[in-house]
Amino acid sequence: DAKTTQPTSMDCAEGRAANLPCNHSTISGNEYVYWYRQIHSQGPQYIIHGLKNNETNEMASLIITEDRKSSTLILPHATLRDTAVYYCIVRVAAGANNLFFGTGTRLTVIP
Amino acid sequence: NAGVMQNPRHLVRRRGQEARLRCSPMKGHSHVYWYRQLPEEGLKFMVYLQKENIIDESGMPKERFSAEFPKEGPSILRIQQVVRGDSAAYFCASSPLGQGAWLNTEAFFGQGTRLTVV
Repeated sequence: DAKTTQPTSMDCAEGRAANLPCNHSTISGNEYVYWYRQIHSQGPQYIIHGLKNNETNEMASLIITEDRKSSTLILPHATLRDTAVYYCIVRVAAGANNLFFGTGTRLTVIP
Repeated sequence: NAGVMQNPRHLVRRRGQEARLRCSPMKGHSHVYWYRQLPEEGLKFMVYLQKENIIDESGMPKERFSAEFPKEGPSILRIQQVVRGDSAAYFCASSPLGQGAWLNTEAFFGQGTRLTVV
């Protein structure tokens, strides 16, 4: 069963910040939150990950709530090339070696 | 992500034929993961391999599918007697660590092989 809940789709105006929410209410204390994205017909691309602190890199920022039951991926200045399906992922189980991809959020950046 | 090489990019097979998908991990990575993506769906884990060992094949169909990662050469995902339902994109990922330790790094994905069974 999926451990994350994401909106099916979102639109964002070019140049504006895109805020993609994810609910993971059953997350365990040692589970990380990962974000990947998949641009049409390409392989998934790593964006960012975190455990409990907010994280920022050159691509995005990850805000994790204090209770860790939800998080938000922020693309500060969305471009047309950010149009993709964004996957929020938590580790499936202790010792698991794979990522569980749900259906993700299809982000469309509008000119 | 460009470092993980998969070939072919597109593969067409008739029902009953065999499909062989190849994955060369990034340099220095000895852990390989295979995922399948059906149309309009998310990626589903199939198998995790280290050199010469299958570590976790919990996502592999019980029949017709096999995977290997020999000491030399790429990892191979083999599908025997393909059926139309096998049509999908197959992605390979590699990482430098395994056994869950890589969760604090990231896995790098290839561009995938799109298998079409006619």
